[in-house]
Amino acid sequence: AQSVTQPDIHITVSEGASLELRCNYSYGATPYLFWYVQSPGQGLQLLLKYFSGDTLVQGIKGFEAEFKRSQSSFNLRKPSVHWSDAAEYFCAVGTSGGYQKVTFGTGTKLQVIP
Amino acid sequence: GAVVSQHPSWVICKSGTSVKIECRSLDFQATTMFWYRQFPKQSLMLMATSNEGSKATYEQGVEKDKFLINHASLTLSTLTVTSAHPEDSSFYICSAPTGRITGELFFGEGSRLTVL
Repeated sequence: AQSVTQPDIHITVSEGASLELRCNYSYGATPYLFWYVQSPGQGLQLLLKYFSGDTLVQGIKGFEAEFKRSQSSFNLRKPSVHWSDAAEYFCAVGTSGGYQKVTFGTGTKLQVIP
Repeated sequence: GAVVSQHPSWVICKSGTSVKIECRSLDFQATTMFWYRQFPKQSLMLMATSNEGSKATYEQGVEKDKFLINHASLTLSTLTVTSAHPEDSSFYICSAPTGRITGELFFGEGSRLTVL
């Protein structure tokens, strides 16, 4: 079975600083990888996804993530954080075997300070 | 783009009553929808897979008699929390596949249930 680990529960960065959120996955085959963002009291919005091809993927709101198979990682990055980026971020892995096998990490809460 | 809408966004009910949450796919058809439960400061836990025209598939440990799921049409799935108790208070989120790539989902806004 697949699993996702987000080692950082809470991260605080200054506005304008760079950001990297860590994600490690466990899956026997080539995974489908996702990053979602959840604002307080709301549903989830897809930031970006990886399923094949270029290992550096670009997403919305200036986010990018890099798939590193050797490290089983899919870290999310942003060069300059804005106050509106404060939210909870979930990494997720989907299998190739069916829609329902999407496993989410425990999330990383991002706080942005002025 | 495609959107998934949930209603109500929040509901408060008395213990012992039943609450229905609707999940609609707007401008696309969803033969499959997923229901998740999110506890405070925790991740999303898949509860069940809703299948249009057939019975829902429940994850291990989820009480199918407590959480009734009905996928009556290609655009509507409902989750009914029966005889709700305070421990059922949670944030319930539905999702539907985009159809473009396995695992890619559109999420509803979520429904916060508080049972008094």
